[in-house]
Amino acid sequence: GEDVEQSLFLSVREGDSSVINCTYTDSSSTYLYWYKQEPGAGLQLLTYIFSNMDMKQDQRLTVLLNKKDKHLSLRIADTQTGDSAIYFCAEDNNDYKLSFGAGTTVTVRA
Amino acid sequence: EPEVTQTPSHQVTQMGQEVILRCVPISNHLYFYWYRQILGQKVEFLVSFYNNEISEKSEIFDDQFSVERPDGSNFTLKIRSTKLEDSAMYFCASSPQGEANYGYTFGSGTRLTVV
Repeated sequence: GEDVEQSLFLSVREGDSSVINCTYTDSSSTYLYWYKQEPGAGLQLLTYIFSNMDMKQDQRLTVLLNKKDKHLSLRIADTQTGDSAIYFCAEDNNDYKLSFGAGTTVTVRA
Repeated sequence: EPEVTQTPSHQVTQMGQEVILRCVPISNHLYFYWYRQILGQKVEFLVSFYNNEISEKSEIFDDQFSVERPDGSNFTLKIRSTKLEDSAMYFCASSPQGEANYGYTFGSGTRLTVV
């Protein structure tokens, strides 16, 4: 079965880069996603990467995928206080459901 | 930007009571989903729904749960006899098609508290 693991907490100074890591077990994953959850809000899709890609950049966000090691990371450049949230890694192996990690709580300090 | 709307945002119910959680998916989407997140735990898949029937369900989705699309806009999750362990945040999601590349749009969730 699918299993997605993330570290639970990350504290970063405002203006620094944040790197959130994720590992997954299902080698048949087609797409991997990063979702953001702010307090009291739903799951907001931040970005996704197709499994045949190594990297995807979208403004301040950079996703790196190491398919051999089944490792996914999200880098947020110039982290702002508005980036404080829980970040979920998720995978989809085309069976119409997502498997989520437990979420990484990112705290941005001034 | 189109949204998935869930009501209520918070529901408190007594153990053993029936609850119905409501969702309005994005209007041109065809696939609908329910997920739940017990406090401090992972977001877990419950069920997917397409063409007026369940496509897939998880082990969590037992006989106490049911889903329905009663009209052209609503998608509901019913829990027949709630248990304390049903307390969780329930998220509805929809997608235009089933393929992963179309992405999933989630609602803001309904926090269910069973007392």
